[in-house]
Amino acid sequence: NAGVTQTPKFQVLKTGQSMTLQCAQDMNHEYMSWYRQDPGMGLRLIHYSVGAGITDQGEVPNGYNVSRSTTEDFPLRLLSAAPSQTSVYFCASSYSRYSGNTIYFGEGSWLTVV
Amino acid sequence: AQSVTQPDIHITVSEGASLELRCNYSYGATPYLFWYVQSPGQGLQLLLKYFSGDTLVQGIKGFEAEFKRSQSSFNLRKPSVHWSDAAEYFCAVGTPRRNRDDKIIFGKGTRLHILP
Repeated sequence: NAGVTQTPKFQVLKTGQSMTLQCAQDMNHEYMSWYRQDPGMGLRLIHYSVGAGITDQGEVPNGYNVSRSTTEDFPLRLLSAAPSQTSVYFCASSYSRYSGNTIYFGEGSWLTVV
Repeated sequence: AQSVTQPDIHITVSEGASLELRCNYSYGATPYLFWYVQSPGQGLQLLLKYFSGDTLVQGIKGFEAEFKRSQSSFNLRKPSVHWSDAAEYFCAVGTPRRNRDDKIIFGKGTRLHILP
């Protein structure tokens, strides 16, 4: 009963490096999303996808890239890491994009950019 | 567009005491309302949700919430807290639009501390 799986759990990057946060879900959910969580800011939507091959920007997309080649996977790429991207990242999925659906979250990825 | 406010950033209660976490929303009609909990080092988990009907909603782990339209509130309650309830709690509001504008907005969270 895996649900939403994120890797890695912890990562330290140097400024300017790139990396990919992996996310996979096994619930055949149509909708997947990435959030970042910062103290006092709550959850902010980075990017989302309503199905394979379809992605769109959320509230804070700058500096991040996503793709959705399969229903299961939704990786988040940091193109050139900056200290402002130090945060906790959550991948999430739900049956569809409509807000009446329960959102299932991964356990989070703690990223530090030095 | 909808919005949600959690007025309390931190709440401290003693183990066994009752709990009420506040949530206020802004939306022109009846929204979808949710409470999620985030235990330390974990992702968020749905506690309960309200769409329509009975304004008192029961959730998991002994939590309940009451929708009050006149006060635009959806406060979370528990009659007796346990040390394991120490976590961050997020109120969220969605809309029944079912179109591209349909989205869920999370509050900034309330961190609950439990005194032994």
